[in-house]
Amino acid sequence: DQQVKQNSPSLSVQEGRISILNCDYTNSMFDYFLWYKKYPAEGPTFLISISSIKDKNEDGRFTVFLNKSAKHLSLHIVPSQPGDSAVYFCAASGYGGATNKLIFGTGTLLAVQP
Amino acid sequence: DGGITQSPKYLFRKEGQNVTLSCEQNLNHDAMYWYRQDPGQGLRLIYYSQIVNDFQKGDIAEGYSVSREKKESFPLTVTSAQKNPTAFYLCASSPSQAEETQYFGPGTRLLVL
Repeated sequence: DQQVKQNSPSLSVQEGRISILNCDYTNSMFDYFLWYKKYPAEGPTFLISISSIKDKNEDGRFTVFLNKSAKHLSLHIVPSQPGDSAVYFCAASGYGGATNKLIFGTGTLLAVQP
Repeated sequence: DGGITQSPKYLFRKEGQNVTLSCEQNLNHDAMYWYRQDPGQGLRLIYYSQIVNDFQKGDIAEGYSVSREKKESFPLTVTSAQKNPTAFYLCASSPSQAEETQYFGPGTRLLVL
């Protein structure tokens, strides 16, 4: 049972335009969400996060939006650059117990065309 | 330079052989984690450790073992009981069990000969 879903395996955008990556979750106990960027054969790099008490968090070109009622979050990248081409994973935390275990989505491959 | 190192980058395992993947961090983080990534899938948690001399099974612990004798080291052994070991293995750490953000090492690719 996939608790964190990224339904778009891939996304292609033009350089300079906006990239929007989406993520849905099913467990209402999740209270913290993160986005990671991953290049092939490398470890994921933390990008940005958001707590469930907020609906928006911004860091430079990256903004994450959280819609708790819809159990949906999105990552906006503006403007998109060729170096942004990578796999993006969303992850959720707060999944019961005393430890913050992260539950990852399956990832979206972003290709930014020059 | 603080960070997480994993070695080797590539590892080959013969049938019936145990292999150990190294993970070291000099971030002074209390919590450490092992994940496995398969093509087209997200990261799945194998084992995690909140403090030295303590570790817990994750979602796919069968066929794996770990130890946490030192704060900075969290080696993962892939045993012969793991029937499908070919994958990309990622180690991560976080400052404490209460910290949600985890920081990842560069990964080890394990291949079966």
